Amino acid sequence: AQKITQTQPGMFVQEKEAVTLDCTYDTSDQSYGLFWYKQPSSGEMIFLIYQGSYDEQNATEGRYSLNFQKARKSANLVISASQLGDSAMYFCAMREGETSYDKVIFGPGTSLSVIP
Amino acid sequence: DGGITQSPKYLFRKEGQNVTLSCEQNLNHDAMYWYRQDPGQGLRLIYYSQIVNDFQKGDIAEGYSVSREKKESFPLTVTSAQKNPTAFYLCASSMIRFPRRLDTIYFGEGSWLTVV
Repeated sequence: AQKITQTQPGMFVQEKEAVTLDCTYDTSDQSYGLFWYKQPSSGEMIFLIYQGSYDEQNATEGRYSLNFQKARKSANLVISASQLGDSAMYFCAMREGETSYDKVIFGPGTSLSVIP
Repeated sequence: DGGITQSPKYLFRKEGQNVTLSCEQNLNHDAMYWYRQDPGQGLRLIYYSQIVNDFQKGDIAEGYSVSREKKESFPLTVTSAQKNPTAFYLCASSMIRFPRRLDTIYFGEGSWLTVV
């Protein structure tokens, strides 16, 4: 069963507008971390933002914020004031586990295109 | 600057040849990883290593081999046994922190491998 779901294969947003990229996850662990990465056409995976399962407040990093709804198991990425350089693939990821070595699971990604 | 360096960026392999992708990090991270990404898809884990001289298979280890003789280095060999090696390969690293949910993986710029 897929543990990370990103239902939007492609998204378009007007420059300077805000956009929300959806991510839902499936885990029975109480302890987990959620991550968002950006992958521009050059290929490098760039870490954007992190949310821990015990964090009560939503994470924010500059123009990025994470809308964390634990009961719904969703961790949506919000990008405010979109810029042309935000055009890229965006991946949601999760690491489960408290003490054991567990791998990070990635979703299939969402392609974001910012329109001038 | 601290970071993860992968080389070469582009590599062509003939059928039946082994090729080695280099990955070096100067972040003093304990854990290192290799991921494979196929066009339009997410990342799949090939191998990971937590300490020198130890590594574990990921989801798609068949046809690949790794070594971890130094903390900073984690080369990946794509052997002739890998039936469909054309893909984008990403090396990554992280600190090992507890609880595990706090670990953030950081990536190199990736290597494109094409079989000709």
